[in-house]
Amino acid sequence: AQKITQTQPGMFVQEKEAVTLDCTYDTSDQSYGLFWYKQPSSGEMIFLIYQGSYDEQNATEGRYSLNFQKARKSANLVISASQLGDSAMYFCAMRESSASKIIFGSGTRLSIRP
Amino acid sequence: GAGVSQSPSNKVTEKGKDVELRCDPISGHTALYWYRQSLGQGLEFLIYFQGNSAPDKSGLPSDRFSAERTGGSVSTLTIQRTQQEDSAVYLCASSYRGGFSGRAYNEQFFGPGTRLTVL
Repeated sequence: AQKITQTQPGMFVQEKEAVTLDCTYDTSDQSYGLFWYKQPSSGEMIFLIYQGSYDEQNATEGRYSLNFQKARKSANLVISASQLGDSAMYFCAMRESSASKIIFGSGTRLSIRP
Repeated sequence: GAGVSQSPSNKVTEKGKDVELRCDPISGHTALYWYRQSLGQGLEFLIYFQGNSAPDKSGLPSDRFSAERTGGSVSTLTIQRTQQEDSAVYLCASSYRGGFSGRAYNEQFFGPGTRLTVL
């Protein structure tokens, strides 16, 4: 069964610093996709980044990058030069190619200090 | 065009009543998902529609929950005989296509959600 684990319930980071949000996953499939969503206090879910299991390079989207370590089954999100607007809940998620549903982790609440 | 819309934004109901939640996906999106998010929790998958294929209902928590999607567009999630544990935010999302094909498939666009409170 697929499973997503986010071990950091909350994090505080100083503005302009880089931050890494941890995500580990468990799957027996060889083909799967991993991604991260941001949920500000307003409640909307915002897609950030996607990584396919066969992608050889780590995905990057602006200030976001995904540190994909397949052998360790980890998919950490790295935010460079954090901004106050980055304060939000961050969810890691996974979809196996054999499944239609996407499984979300429990989330990490990131707070950026000015 | 417009994003995913959901109605109502808030719904307060009494235990035992039936409720209907509506989702209007982005035009042209063939895949539609329903999720439930309890307070302070992650998202719980409920149901997935892809084109004309049979929906994946594996996430529905009980037979009190059902959903339909008419004409490949608007979807309605129905909860019968609501219970207090049904209280949550119900989120709908759509994506351009189904099938496992990278970002185009996995980039889901979420609606603002319906906050359901069962008294």
